[in-house]
Amino acid sequence: DADVTQTPRNRITKTGKRIMLECSQTKGHDRMYWYRQDPGLGLRLIYYSFDVKDINKGEISDGYSVSRQAQAKFSLSLESAIPNQTALYFCATSDLGGADTQYFGPGTRLTVL
Amino acid sequence: EDQVTQSPEALRLQEGESSSLNCSYTVSGLRGLFWYRQDPGKGPEFLFTLYSAGEEKEKERLKATLTKKESFLHITAPKPEDSATYLCAVQAYGGSQGNLIFGKGTKLSVKP
Repeated sequence: DADVTQTPRNRITKTGKRIMLECSQTKGHDRMYWYRQDPGLGLRLIYYSFDVKDINKGEISDGYSVSRQAQAKFSLSLESAIPNQTALYFCATSDLGGADTQYFGPGTRLTVL
Repeated sequence: EDQVTQSPEALRLQEGESSSLNCSYTVSGLRGLFWYRQDPGKGPEFLFTLYSAGEEKEKERLKATLTKKESFLHITAPKPEDSATYLCAVQAYGGSQGNLIFGKGTKLSVKP
């Protein structure tokens, strides 16, 4: 089984709909991250969490919210989806200490019509 | 401002033709530099972490090196299965609490 899983893998939705993307990990890591990837822009950090009680905004948090339900689960919500949120979304995890190597999930391809 | 620039944006090689990818960075204090491989539609796959200038790491046909201003990913005698986008990222001390700053990647194509 994969260490970091994301659901759904693909989603098509309409403008104004609320969407939740879910991430689960079995690596036992404390830190979890949400990124989006757009062609030509690279990976950009949306939110990150260093433990269940710690949530932080990243570079591009506007229009998004997150929930850390447990050490192993971190969800990303789009409260009212808009077309420019069409992108690939990745969850990542890392462990405490040293340089934090991040391990990525397989991604969710989200299309907002 | 911490920045990462990768070059070239795209690289086409013939099978067996060795080359290098460049990652130039500007950070206030380097905690670590990371290389990832990403196949189309998939999540980045971790390759290497480098911590200090002069450090080198190898994995199969890939070798990563680090100086105070840049890192190189050398690909020796590449095969078509090495085709992918290679991402470089840096982690700095302080400020952003050590979050990764990614470059835009180099898309490598290896033709048989």
